[in-house]
Amino acid sequence: DIQMTQSPSSLSASVGDRVTITCRASQNITNSLNWYQQRPGKAPNLLIYAASSLQSGVPSRFSGSGSGTDFTLTISSLQPEDFANYCCQQSYSTPPTFGQGTKLVIK
Amino acid sequence: EVQLVDSGGGLVKPGGSLRLSCAASGFTFSSYNMNWVRQAPGKGLEWVSSISSSTTFIYYADSVKGRFTISRDNAKNSVYLQMNSLRAEDTAVYYCAREVRGRGPKFLDHWGQGTLVTVSS
Repeated sequence: DIQMTQSPSSLSASVGDRVTITCRASQNITNSLNWYQQRPGKAPNLLIYAASSLQSGVPSRFSGSGSGTDFTLTISSLQPEDFANYCCQQSYSTPPTFGQGTKLVIK
Repeated sequence: EVQLVDSGGGLVKPGGSLRLSCAASGFTFSSYNMNWVRQAPGKGLEWVSSISSSTTFIYYADSVKGRFTISRDNAKNSVYLQMNSLRAEDTAVYYCAREVRGRGPKFLDHWGQGTLVTVSS
C-alpha cells in the first residue's frame, strides 16, 4: 500500500496568514492526489483534486501543487471558517490511502 | 443537488452484524462508482470498500476482507455495506462517498453525513 505522510500534524495560525501543508507519498503517484477539509463532526469536503484542480464552489484562496511524491496545499489568507482538519488522499492505486491529517487551529 | 444519506449504524456486540445503507439522489446513480470510508474516534480516514457502477469491480481493504460485503441496487439508487463478524476495531463513523473518474485521476466529490457504528459488549 502507498503510505501518505502529512506535515505538520498540527498548525497554529492567525486569520489572514498564509499557510502550507505538505503531503508526501511513499512512491510516485503522478498527480493522483486529493485534498479534503473536515470540520468536527462533519463529513470530509473535497477541496483540490488531481493535485492542483480546485473543486467547484471552493474559494480561490485554496490551491494545490506538486507531482510525483511531494505535494502542498496552500491557503493564501486564512479565514475564520478555515480552522479545521485537512487531509490528503492518493488515488493512484487501490487501496486509496489517506494522510493522517493536519489540524489547523487559531493562534 | 447531489445528496447521500447514510443510515443503519448502531450499537452491536462483538461478532455481530450490521447493514449500512446509503441513499443517493440528485444524480444518475447508475453511472458512478461508490465507496465506503470510515473514521474511528479521533483518528484519520480509512477507505473500506468500493463498487463500480455496474458491480463489475469490487474492492475491499485488507482489514475488512472476508467480513464485509458491498453491494448496490441501481433501481433504488442505493449502496449497502453488510458487516459481519464485527470487532471492536470496526467502531467508527462510516461514510459513503461518490467517486468521480474523469480523464484524470479519480476523487471522492460528495459524501454522506456518516453513520456511527459502535462495537462493544
